[in-house]
Amino acid sequence: GDSVTQMEGPVTLSEEAFLTINCTYTATGYPSLFWYVQYPGEGLQLLLKATKADDKGSNKGFEATYRKETTSFHLEKGSVQVSDSAVYFCALNPRSGYALNFGKGTSLLVTP
Amino acid sequence: EAQVTQNPRYLITVTGKKLTVTCSQNMNHEYMSWYRQDPGLGLRQIYYSMNVEVTDKGDVPEGYKVSRKEKRNFPLILESPSPNQTSLYFCASSPQVSDSPLHFGNGTRLTVT
Repeated sequence: GDSVTQMEGPVTLSEEAFLTINCTYTATGYPSLFWYVQYPGEGLQLLLKATKADDKGSNKGFEATYRKETTSFHLEKGSVQVSDSAVYFCALNPRSGYALNFGKGTSLLVTP
Repeated sequence: EAQVTQNPRYLITVTGKKLTVTCSQNMNHEYMSWYRQDPGLGLRQIYYSMNVEVTDKGDVPEGYKVSRKEKRNFPLILESPSPNQTSLYFCASSPQVSDSPLHFGNGTRLTVT
């Protein structure tokens, strides 16, 4: 079935470092792809999304490009801040079903 | 303010004592869903609802019930909780499933002893 695999954490970076969190997917059709972020003690909130191949989603300095040829949707940010410390989830909407399939989450800790 | 409201935020109970976690959204969304979040397992869907009186099982429905009598409310019912249902629960809603993002509540941390 459709699924998402993302790199395991925790990831620890110094402030202003470059961030990449890898996400690859398996899907039979043409899913929509999402990144959600969960700050401590809160629910998940949408960070960015892409609905078709070669789309680039961006928000708050984060970017991810929907790569059909490599079935990937890696999350990147050029310069992380302490306030970016959170858990990041890659997710897939298969269109043929109703459930959003989530990866297991990657914990990011940014130190001053 | 558009939001999904879950109550309670924290709940400690004993095995077998029936409980209900409430979820309410004020965005007139058709789709609502319950997830549980466990370390190393990510988020797993329990039940979902496409509209009033329409509910269906997700990936891990055993031990849970839901109802959707009104569009805004989607309570999660544990009729006989067990320790393996100790988890962090999230309710979510969206106007449609395809490309619309889910809006999440702030979670309910349940401990069953």
